[in-house]
Amino acid sequence: AQTVTQSQPEMSVQEAETVTLSCTYDTSESDYYLFWYKQPPSRQMILVIRQEAYKQQNATENRFSVNFQKAAKSFSLKISDSQLGDAAMYFCAYRGNNAGNMLTFGGGTRLMVKP
Amino acid sequence: EAQVTQNPRYLITVTGKKLTVTCSQNMNHEYMSWYRQDPGLGLRQIYYSMNVEVTDKGDVPEGYKVSRKEKRNFPLILESPSPNQTSLYFCASSFRGYGYTFGSGTRLTVV
Repeated sequence: AQTVTQSQPEMSVQEAETVTLSCTYDTSESDYYLFWYKQPPSRQMILVIRQEAYKQQNATENRFSVNFQKAAKSFSLKISDSQLGDAAMYFCAYRGNNAGNMLTFGGGTRLMVKP
Repeated sequence: EAQVTQNPRYLITVTGKKLTVTCSQNMNHEYMSWYRQDPGLGLRQIYYSMNVEVTDKGDVPEGYKVSRKEKRNFPLILESPSPNQTSLYFCASSFRGYGYTFGSGTRLTVV
């Protein structure tokens, strides 16, 4: 079974600075998807960024980018120019080729942004 | 607006009293699923449905039931809730597992 590990339960960053959240996963599959979700205090799950494993190029979405290292099974999220609104729980998730299209989530990282 | 609607947002109940959490999506997605979120564990899949009348167990199905009689609705049923089912629940729908839309969550407390 696939597992996803987020080794940093909490992180903090100064406003306007850059922060990197770590995620590693374990799988024997070669084709899969990886996601980062943001969960603010409103509880809504918001998709931040998505990466297809077959794509070598790292995904980017405005201030958010990933460092996808397929051989190392690592998928870190970099947030540049951090803003107060970035404060939230961040979840890394994996989706392989399973019948239920199941997302396997890491335990989450709480990001605090200091003004 | 494309969305997944869950109700209720908060629910406090007593052990053994049957309850249903509703979920509805307006995107004509075939795939729907239920997750529970617990501290330190992230979200774990309870049940999923690939289409009308097609449902199957996820990672943590014990104590839960689902049904999919219409494409848009996917209710979660707890026949006899217990305190270990106290959790935050999310419904999600997806187009072929590529993009997922989550509901706003249901905070359930079983006393």
